[in-house]
Amino acid sequence: QSALTQPASVSGSPGQSITLSCAGSSNDIGDHNYVSWYQQHPGKAPKLMIYDVSNRPSGVSNRFSGSKSGNTASLTIAGLQAEDEADYYCSSYTSSSTIYVFGPGTKVTVL
Amino acid sequence: QVQLRESGPGLVKPSQTLSLTCTVSGGSINSDNYYWTWVRQPAGKGLEWIGRIFSGVSTLYNPSLKSRVTISADTSKSQFSLQLNSVTAADTAIYYCARLRWGSGAFDFWGQGTAVTVSS
Repeated sequence: QSALTQPASVSGSPGQSITLSCAGSSNDIGDHNYVSWYQQHPGKAPKLMIYDVSNRPSGVSNRFSGSKSGNTASLTIAGLQAEDEADYYCSSYTSSSTIYVFGPGTKVTVL
Repeated sequence: QVQLRESGPGLVKPSQTLSLTCTVSGGSINSDNYYWTWVRQPAGKGLEWIGRIFSGVSTLYNPSLKSRVTISADTSKSQFSLQLNSVTAADTAIYYCARLRWGSGAFDFWGQGTAVTVSS
């Protein structure tokens, strides 16, 4: 059972903005900024989209942004496009057990 | 550009040992800037962090798997390996190797993944 909670699915129309949430605790998301987000298309490896809460790796569209408030992290996708349809996983370091955990994932559907 | 590639048997019998190797190119697994990690994903399910190795020797494992897992490295071959003992059907998954930046939560480069099935 994951220590992080994500909604099972989120959908939106092309051009819209959507926000994915990742709820944790004071032992993980609430304790530091080692929060990251990954995009995974079917049959592919995960791809880093956001790291350290809000940093975007080189090559990732600026339509993707991350934030954190308390024990909850969020990923916002602006100007939703068909290619954004994928599973999205959040991840956090857990200071209590010094390991990394992933959320169960959110399936994003572009209507 | 760093590249990682997993290799190993796709079928393992129950109670036996799963052994996988990750070959790294374009970067040194001796670097103090990165951890080298294993992550797995059962079909249709989420990701699970298995463990990591740092500077070729320092290891840390997920407590849920700690009693069965060993991660080691051969820096001369730029490879690190995963051994998972006493496997059951619950260990059937796609296994990924990935690079984790030190001082960050970023798994920034991933292998393509290798599917392992535990079955007699």
